[in-house]
Amino acid sequence: EVQLVESGGGLVQPGGSLRLSCAASGFTFSSYEMNWVRQAPGKGLEWVSYISSSGSTIYYADSVKGRFTISRDNAKNSLYLQMNSLRAEDTAVYYCARESTGYSYGSPLNYFDYWGQGTLVTVSS
Amino acid sequence: DIQMTQSPSSLSASVGDRVTITCRASQSISSYLNWYQQKPGKAPKLLIYAASSLQSGVPSRFSGSGSGTDFTLTISSLQPEDFATYYCQQSYSTPGTFGPGTKVDIK
Repeated sequence: EVQLVESGGGLVQPGGSLRLSCAASGFTFSSYEMNWVRQAPGKGLEWVSYISSSGSTIYYADSVKGRFTISRDNAKNSLYLQMNSLRAEDTAVYYCARESTGYSYGSPLNYFDYWGQGTLVTVSS
Repeated sequence: DIQMTQSPSSLSASVGDRVTITCRASQSISSYLNWYQQKPGKAPKLLIYAASSLQSGVPSRFSGSGSGTDFTLTISSLQPEDFATYYCQQSYSTPGTFGPGTKVDIK
């Protein structure tokens, strides 16, 4: 059974730092691209960051670029999100999500097929 | 960035109703469109990928259609467990933007 379990959330002051972890099991972690997606209280979903299976390709949303760092340890089946210079607007539930590839008329298309339960990050003084 | 819109933002329906939710992209995204269901306090769940492909284990009352800029999620006969918020997401380009969501509640 595929499982993704986030941890590391909590209350942090503005300007502070936090490191989120996502422990993966039930699949070959090193073969999959991974993402972080967040959801502010009562709001919709916002993609945050992507990392390729090897870790060689990384993308960030403009809202977190320069402040957040995504990484992974394939030997430990773990995904991480280092969050620095946190702001009130970063308050959200953070989900890790596995990215898989399907095909339509021979073209690859990606989607998030498994999600963790989420970890709440609250930025407040 | 590609902008995604959804309509309606919310709807009230009864068990057994046919429900249709629309998603529109700000530019053509071919069939790079996914649909997710989210219940309160839970993680999103993939329903449809590539605009019309049903994810394994998802009931056949869910279906998706469309290509280019206009897409539709249809629930053929609404069940009690279908009351939730539904999001579309484009995977044509990074960032993979989500729509604002459509909340389906009980009439």
